[in-house]
Amino acid sequence: KAGVTQTPRYLIKTRGQQVTLSCSPISGHRSVSWYQQTPGQGLQFLFEYFSETQRNKGNFPGRFSGRQFSNSRSEMNVSTLELGDSALYLCASSLLGGHQETQYFGPGTRLLVL
Amino acid sequence: SQELEQSPQSLIVQEGKNLTINCTSSKTLYGLYWYKQKYGEGLIFLMMLQKGGEEKSHEKITAKLDEKKQQSSLHITASQPSHAGIYLCGADISRGTSYGKLTFGQGTILTVHP
Repeated sequence: KAGVTQTPRYLIKTRGQQVTLSCSPISGHRSVSWYQQTPGQGLQFLFEYFSETQRNKGNFPGRFSGRQFSNSRSEMNVSTLELGDSALYLCASSLLGGHQETQYFGPGTRLLVL
Repeated sequence: SQELEQSPQSLIVQEGKNLTINCTSSKTLYGLYWYKQKYGEGLIFLMMLQKGGEEKSHEKITAKLDEKKQQSSLHITASQPSHAGIYLCGADISRGTSYGKLTFGQGTILTVHP
């Protein structure tokens, strides 16, 4: 099976712009979680989607949003970019997103905000 | 303070040496995951532990979850340069009520000198 894929791998944006990142889960996986990784805060949970519904959300401002399509592919969007949004954005997939299920991560999208 | 504390934060060893990385939680661990990350890349799943006292091994890496389910250790025997990277523990600390969310430690940077 192919692993989790993320596109694009690298992005450079300027403050105030918006950005959309894409994640394709492992075939058959229906849960997609998004994380932000920064040197200062480490890995932090953004949100989780299952069957096109957001079931869980981390402590991030409303500028961070996402969605999931019927084929389980997911996108996340960051509007009005700030310098502090520069980070590695990782998505992970699992079968159902349930208790004690292993999450498999993609290679990440490196976002640089200038 | 961090809900998951890893120690040490960094580790430099000579090839062939054994080493241990610890992950301590302030809450009961309902699923403990060990991942490895090369800088700027995605997380590679190593092992998952669920039950107190559980121990799993893969090649030269052994992970244990203590009986009280609040601490895990990752032990590498006869380290090799290929073991170098960032080791992250992630955990479900929400009693299964938080879909798709793992809480992560800050990571341990391992350097192995040939």
